[in-house]
Amino acid sequence: AQSVTQLDSHVSVSEGTPVLLRCNYSSSYSPSLFWYVQHPNKGLQLLLKYTSAATLVKGINGFEAEFKKSETSFHLTKPSAHMSDAAEYFCVVTRGYGKLTFGQGTILTVHP
Amino acid sequence: DVKVTQSSRYLVKRTGEKVFLECVQDMDHENMFWYRQDPGLGLRLIYFSYDVKMKEKGDIPEGYSVSREKKERFSLILESASTNQTSMYLCASSTYWGRQNEKLFFGSGTQLSVL
Repeated sequence: AQSVTQLDSHVSVSEGTPVLLRCNYSSSYSPSLFWYVQHPNKGLQLLLKYTSAATLVKGINGFEAEFKKSETSFHLTKPSAHMSDAAEYFCVVTRGYGKLTFGQGTILTVHP
Repeated sequence: DVKVTQSSRYLVKRTGEKVFLECVQDMDHENMFWYRQDPGLGLRLIYFSYDVKMKEKGDIPEGYSVSREKKERFSLILESASTNQTSMYLCASSTYWGRQNEKLFFGSGTQLSVL
């Protein structure tokens, strides 16, 4: 069975400092993994996806994630946080055909 | 751009009422999905459909049913609403995909409160 665990329910950073949102996955085969972002009162937006090509995946708005099979991790990073990055972030694994399993979510707060 | 439209942003219903949540997509996608979102639980799949008149149970189908009479429209039905169905409901759609093309398009959600 496929599952993901987001290790932090809340992360707080200062504007201009790095962002790290942690995600571990469990999968019986090579997974496809995603990060989605949800801004307040907005729909979910795909940030980036990993589908067994390059292990370092670049997404929108300066985010990237690295797939590490040995650590079963898919952490999301950004070198410098911006106020507009404040949102809830979801790590997601697919079971195929659009059946997604979501992590519990990490709320990112960015302080001025 | 793909648009997935949910008919109501906020909905308040009473226990025992029959509730319909409507979702329409404008990109001729084969696949449509209903998820519910609860704090600390992420999103959980309720039902999905791969084609007109087809439906499959997701992870938490109890208390729900769905209808897909037309390709662009996917309805979620709460036969007898209960307070534990108070939640944010998200509809999504996608075209048939391979591993390299997996992407869901989500609506903005319907916040349902059952009193």
